[in-house]
Amino acid sequence: GAVVSQHPSWVICKSGTSVKIECRSLDFQATTMFWYRQFPKQSLMLMATSNEGSKATYEQGVEKDKFLINHASLTLSTLTVTSAHPEDSSFYICSAQAPHNEQFFGPGTRLTVL
Amino acid sequence: AQRVTQPEKLLSVFKGAPVELKCNYSYSGSPELFWYVQYSRQRLQLLLRHISRESIKGFTADLNKGETSFHLKKPFAQEEDSAMYYCALIENDYKLSFGAGTTVTVRA
Repeated sequence: GAVVSQHPSWVICKSGTSVKIECRSLDFQATTMFWYRQFPKQSLMLMATSNEGSKATYEQGVEKDKFLINHASLTLSTLTVTSAHPEDSSFYICSAQAPHNEQFFGPGTRLTVL
Repeated sequence: AQRVTQPEKLLSVFKGAPVELKCNYSYSGSPELFWYVQYSRQRLQLLLRHISRESIKGFTADLNKGETSFHLKKPFAQEEDSAMYYCALIENDYKLSFGAGTTVTVRA
């Protein structure tokens, strides 16, 4: 199957700093990528839909100025957590949409804000 | 509104026993439903989708529109089936709505 990578796999940062997470589709092009947040032992919560060449669409309750999404190419989407705070600590997962609506998931990025 | 419901948070079965994970959905259009699995320390991966009507790793799931269900079944559970299972529904704009997930533990 198709492969989606995320970088970094984990990051620890100080409160108030910004963190960028990359999501890449390695062997296919994805005009649409998705960003999810997963709390321990809970389900995935969709944060936003990232569309190549256009603005991301955010789910209700997700601050677009807090979670900046850029989808500059057909294989790369980035999520920047700006002015991170401890409550932003979570597991962030991206997925890339392949043909036939199948989504391939990245391995996730563990963010810890001190 | 909750579109996908997985009523069981935890499910424990013995090896060789049948296992059934329940999933109910609410959707006004024609649903496209999936089961995803997440093994320990691995990424989420597609297990099966209802339009494929196939059996993967011995698992099957039938879409029952009358009962709005998409239960996942396997007649003989194996230890390697221990994982987190998510039922998901895709909406018109290709967004996936996930259920809360069911943790399956298969005991020897």
